Amino acid sequence: AQSVSQHNHHVILSEAASLELGCNYSYGGTVNLFWYVQYPGQHLQLLLKYFSGDPLVKGIKGFEAEFIKSKFSFNLRKPSVQWSDTAEYFCAVKGGYQKVTFGTGTKLQVIP
Amino acid sequence: GAGVSQTPSNKVTEKGKYVELRCDPISGHTALYWYRQSLGQGPEFLIYFQGTGAADDSGLPNDRFFAVRPEGSVSTLKIQRTERGDSAVYLCASSLGMGLAGNEQFFGPGTRLTVL
Repeated sequence: AQSVSQHNHHVILSEAASLELGCNYSYGGTVNLFWYVQYPGQHLQLLLKYFSGDPLVKGIKGFEAEFIKSKFSFNLRKPSVQWSDTAEYFCAVKGGYQKVTFGTGTKLQVIP
Repeated sequence: GAGVSQTPSNKVTEKGKYVELRCDPISGHTALYWYRQSLGQGPEFLIYFQGTGAADDSGLPNDRFFAVRPEGSVSTLKIQRTERGDSAVYLCASSLGMGLAGNEQFFGPGTRLTVL
């Protein structure tokens, strides 16, 4: 069975600070990896995804994530956060033909 | 439509009642998913349709939960004899369902179910 672990439940940063949200997964085979974001009052939307190829994936709004197979990790990064990045971030994994499994989410609060 | 829509947006019911939650996927998307999101948790998979058939219903918690997609488009999640523990946001997502691009799921706004 596959699983996802997000280490940080709640992160508070000042504007312009750098962000890194941890995500580790458990699955023995080929995986598809995702980061979804949920802004306050809005529905889940895809931030970025990894299917194959370059392990450094760039998404919308300046976010990127690096797939490190040896560490079973897919951490989300942004060099300089903005107040508008305040949201909840979910890492998700899909292994083979299995369903998508989501992590418990990380709430990011950016202070102006 | 432009995105996945779900109705109603909010549903309050009494313990023991029957509820139906509806999902309209993006036109042309063959795959449809139902998730349940409880407070402080990520979306929890319930069931996945490919076309009209349930390809994976392993996430349905018990036989009070049932979902249909009779024409391969709109889906209805049905909950019988609701319990207070069923209170959650029920999310629907759809995807093309084919190849790598098919793995990207587009989510609806959810239905917030409250069982009193």
